[in-house]
Parts: sequence; C-alpha cells; structure tokens
Amino acid sequence: GAVVSQHPSWVICKSGTSVKIECRSLDFQATTMFWYRQFPKQSLMLMATSNEGSKATYEQGVEKDKFLINHASLTLSTLTVTSAHPEDSSFYICSASRQVLSYEQYFGPGTRLTVT
Amino acid sequence: AQKITQTQPGMFVQEKEAVTLDCTYDTSDQSYGLFWYKQPSSGEMIFLIYQGSYDEQNATEGRYSLNFQKARKSANLVISASQLGDSAMYFCAMKNNFNKFYFGSGTKLNVKP
Repeated sequence: GAVVSQHPSWVICKSGTSVKIECRSLDFQATTMFWYRQFPKQSLMLMATSNEGSKATYEQGVEKDKFLINHASLTLSTLTVTSAHPEDSSFYICSASRQVLSYEQYFGPGTRLTVT
Repeated sequence: AQKITQTQPGMFVQEKEAVTLDCTYDTSDQSYGLFWYKQPSSGEMIFLIYQGSYDEQNATEGRYSLNFQKARKSANLVISASQLGDSAMYFCAMKNNFNKFYFGSGTKLNVKP
C-alpha cells in the first residue's frame, strides 16, 4: 500500500510553454502533499507544501506565480511550471502524507523536465 | 531554521563489510523525526529507516541501523554486510514540527565487489 504515482515520468517542452505534472496517491487519501525539485547530483529542495482544499505554502525563494500548485482532491496534486525556461529543467518529485502530523511520507517516482 | 549536514560526498565500501554514513542536524525543535532514504540511479526515493527524537533506542531495520546521538545531534546510518545493490545515493532528512522535510546533500555509496 501507500503508492504515489507521477505523470508524466519525463517531459520535454519548449521555452515559454507551460507544463503540468500530476501527483496521485493511488491507494490512500493524502492530506498533505509536498513538491521537491532536485538538480543533477544535488539534494532535494522543498518547493511547497499543499493541503487538500487550501492554498499551497511555498518555501522562501520559490516563485508561486511560476510554480502553480493545486491540491484539488485528497488523491491528486498538480504542479504547473508556467512559461518554462531552460533553468527550470530539473527532476521534480512529489510526496504524500496520510495525516498532517505524520512521519510517513511516500514519494512518487519523479518527473524529469527538460526545457529546450 | 533546520539544517542537515552530510560531510561525505562519496564513500567506498567492500562488499560484505559494514559502512557508516554520517549525518548531523541542527534544529531548535524539541520534537522531530530523522530519516534515511536511498536514491538509486532511477531516481525514486526509498525509505530506509526512521528515528523519532524521543526514541531512546536506536532504530534498526534489517541491515540498516541508525546511530542516534541526540546530544551531538547526529544520526549516522550504519549498513551492515554491504551488497552490490546498496550502491546508490543516500540522503539524511529531518521532519520538523510543521511536517516539513529537509534533506542533506547526500552521500554516494559505491560497493566494490
């Protein structure tokens, strides 16, 4: 149990376009979902935390107008990279928790975004 | 602010030997959780072990054990009887009171046959 999927697993888009990444909890309801980005050979950096039905909380330095996060249901959160640029190329990983105050965190397999 | 430090960017270990991956952390929270994750080249994050800040005993999960020294704010991962499949990136992470996770810079472990 506790499987998280991401779609797409990889995407290539042209500079200036927008791309949406989906994160789904397949067999549980995710009260909280997290979005991370990981540059090559670097660590995961928390971008934002989203709770179902409320606005996402962004980490300092993350542009909320560029990285739009929607957590519309207990099983789906989306990250939209708007007007993507080559510097947005990265590995984006989501994770989900069943409870707000839970040490459990289940990671998705990640989405590799390349902006040309 | 939370900070996780992994001082070993790369480690080598001989197959079947034990290896310790270092992790220190900095937090003002009284309650927190410490984690280790494995990330193979495919990219997925694999949970290995968890230690709560109030847990008095060191956590163990099969070949993984966490050497928790609260006063020193260290949470080292010990992998016993290393296997070739253990070669991967290993990340130490901490969860704070607001359920946010912060990751260290990672240690790349190479297991030699």
